[in-house]
Amino acid sequence: GAGVSQSPSNKVTEKGKDVELRCDPISGHTALYWYRQSLGQGLEFLIYFQGNSAPDKSGLPSDRFSAERTGGSVSTLTIQRTQQEDSAVYLCASSPLRGYTIYFGEGSWLTVV
Amino acid sequence: GQQLNQSPQSMFIQEGEDVSMNCTSSSIFNTWLWYKQDPGEGPVLLIALYKAGELTSNGRLTAQFGITRKDSFLNISASIPSDVGIYFCAGQLGSQGNLIFGKGTKLSVKP
Repeated sequence: GAGVSQSPSNKVTEKGKDVELRCDPISGHTALYWYRQSLGQGLEFLIYFQGNSAPDKSGLPSDRFSAERTGGSVSTLTIQRTQQEDSAVYLCASSPLRGYTIYFGEGSWLTVV
Repeated sequence: GQQLNQSPQSMFIQEGEDVSMNCTSSSIFNTWLWYKQDPGEGPVLLIALYKAGELTSNGRLTAQFGITRKDSFLNISASIPSDVGIYFCAGQLGSQGNLIFGKGTKLSVKP
């Protein structure tokens, strides 16, 4: 598509439930990033994928967070046993290669109640 | 995680005024980027800077990559109501590093 597409745009879930957030990067972009933005805060790096290479998971806050990228395109970020502190906007971004300018989707707003 | 020092945190200005915001870091960056985020949207790239000392303009926006590679500023001239939003700086460590973001500058413009 023309831009980075994320779904769902909004998700309200109960504490303890698992959630999956999806990202469709810009067509042809091999690099894909997930960031988290808590209320009033900057963007916190979570994970990075480049083609078929092993992902850079250095930003994942706990082992409840995982992500995969199938076929080098669509990515899914999974949060298991959600906690209230997981409430944030989860932003996906893509770029042609690592080191190039990244372009963001509109984000998935997650609220854990 | 690692973050840049971005200031000011928020600004309330009159329409027509000029705006200046900056980011500093103790680390050297290869690239500086400035993004704007409107409510309910993802950040949108405004300006990208790739060389120390580079000064780049995009309409009413002007940004500079500091000569020490540890800072950058963004100026907005003759602000208008649609300039309202949160402005983020982002720096890239090394040639292949992740983008590190500042906490943002929230801009409010009074008509």
